[in-house]
Amino acid sequence: DAGVIQSPRHEVTEMGQEVTLRCKPISGHNSLFWYRQTMMRGLELLIYFNNNVPIDDSGMPEDRFSAKMPNASFSTLKIQPSEPRDSAVYFCASSLARGRGYTEAFFGQGTRLTVV
Amino acid sequence: KQEVTQIPAALSVPEGENLVLNCSFTDSAIYNLQWFRQDPGKGLTSLLLIQSSQREQTSGRLNASLDKSSGRSTLYIAASQPGDSATYLCAVTGGSYIPTFGRGTSLIVHP
Repeated sequence: DAGVIQSPRHEVTEMGQEVTLRCKPISGHNSLFWYRQTMMRGLELLIYFNNNVPIDDSGMPEDRFSAKMPNASFSTLKIQPSEPRDSAVYFCASSLARGRGYTEAFFGQGTRLTVV
Repeated sequence: KQEVTQIPAALSVPEGENLVLNCSFTDSAIYNLQWFRQDPGKGLTSLLLIQSSQREQTSGRLNASLDKSSGRSTLYIAASQPGDSATYLCAVTGGSYIPTFGRGTSLIVHP
């Protein structure tokens, strides 16, 4: 497997524009996570999907952020409208959750978002 | 709410030293603990995964231990090399299945 694949790797956009980040998890994994990483706050969970269903979205900052997982092989994180404070690195991760036998989480290379 | 703390925040050592990085967590009801490495501008690479029933895991020069009852884990790096320079993060996962991360230890190994 090629691992978790994110696109784009870098995104520069103007304030007010819509931004869509994409993630392809590892085949067979049933859990998908979106994290945001900044120097100030470290790695923060935005949303967690299990079997394509959003389980915990308490980390989504506000209504400008939305995430979808239409099938087991694809997820999107959308910011509309974008603001400069959204500038960060956004990571997608996946794992296979099986009862208490939770396995390793694998991360994508991240999308570095800059909003000017 | 689970909180994860990593000490020290930064470390600079000469090549060849043996190192210990620390990770502590507030809620001992975890399923596992995972150590990651992050190089500048890159993603997170999984180094070691310790299940809650295990006490330690080893991979090459890396050894991670887990004391669940005291809420502590250590990552031991033997004979450090400049290529070990990176940020090391630990993450714990409990019943929510969501990994909670510490802020990391930034390691520099100089020749």
